[in-house]
Amino acid sequence: AQRVTQPEKLLSVFKGAPVELKCNYSYSGSPELFWYVQYSRQRLQLLLRHISRESIKGFTADLNKGETSFHLKKPFAQEEDSAMYYCALRGSSNTGKLIFGQGTTLQVKP
Amino acid sequence: ETGVTQSPTHLIKTRGQQVTLRCSSQSGHNTVSWYQQALGQGPQFIFQYYREEENGRGNFPPRFSGLQFPNYSSELNVNALELDDSALYLCASSLYTGELFFGEGSRLTVL
Repeated sequence: AQRVTQPEKLLSVFKGAPVELKCNYSYSGSPELFWYVQYSRQRLQLLLRHISRESIKGFTADLNKGETSFHLKKPFAQEEDSAMYYCALRGSSNTGKLIFGQGTTLQVKP
Repeated sequence: ETGVTQSPTHLIKTRGQQVTLRCSSQSGHNTVSWYQQALGQGPQFIFQYYREEENGRGNFPPRFSGLQFPNYSSELNVNALELDDSALYLCASSLYTGELFFGEGSRLTVL
C-alpha cells in the first residue's frame, strides 16, 4: 500500500534550534517526494521536491531509499518557519495524484 | 497572472443534498486535481482532469464526479451528501507533470 507517515503532529522548538520533521513512506517503486507548507491563512504551497535537490528557505530534505524516509531539516529555526508541513508522495505512474501525510505543525518559539 | 480560485469559500448543506464546487485554474495550466481534506488530516486525492477527461481517481465513490471545461476550469459535484463529506475541498492546477498550485479551498459542512 502507498502511504506517507509523519509521526509527529506537533513539533515545538526555540528560535535558533535545529529542526527535523520526520517523514516515512511506503511505496513499491520509485516515487517522487515533496514537502508542502501552509503558513497561517495562506494556501498550501510547494516547499521543495527531492528531484531538484534545492535548499529552500534554509530547508533541505534527502531521500533515503534504504530507510524509505524523506526528513525535512533546517539547522537554525526562525519564527517565520512556524507553519503546517506536509510530506507527500507521487508514484511514477500517476502524475496528479499526491499521497499526503497527516501533517506536522511546527511551532518556533522566540 | 491569476492563481487558482475556488468558489464558494464556505457552504452548508444537509444530508442527501447535492453540491457543486468550482475551480478556476491558474493561467496556462491544463490539469486540475481535486482533494478532500478532513479536519486534522492531510489532503486526500479525489481525481484529476487533463484536457477535459478524468485521468486518475482516488478511493472515492461514484457520487463524487467532476468536469473540466475547455478553458480548463473545473467542477466537483457530490451527490447524496453524507455527514462524513464535511471537509475542506482543495483544487490544484498544473501543467501535466508539473508543480501543483493549490486554491484556498471550499469548506463544506453537511448537517
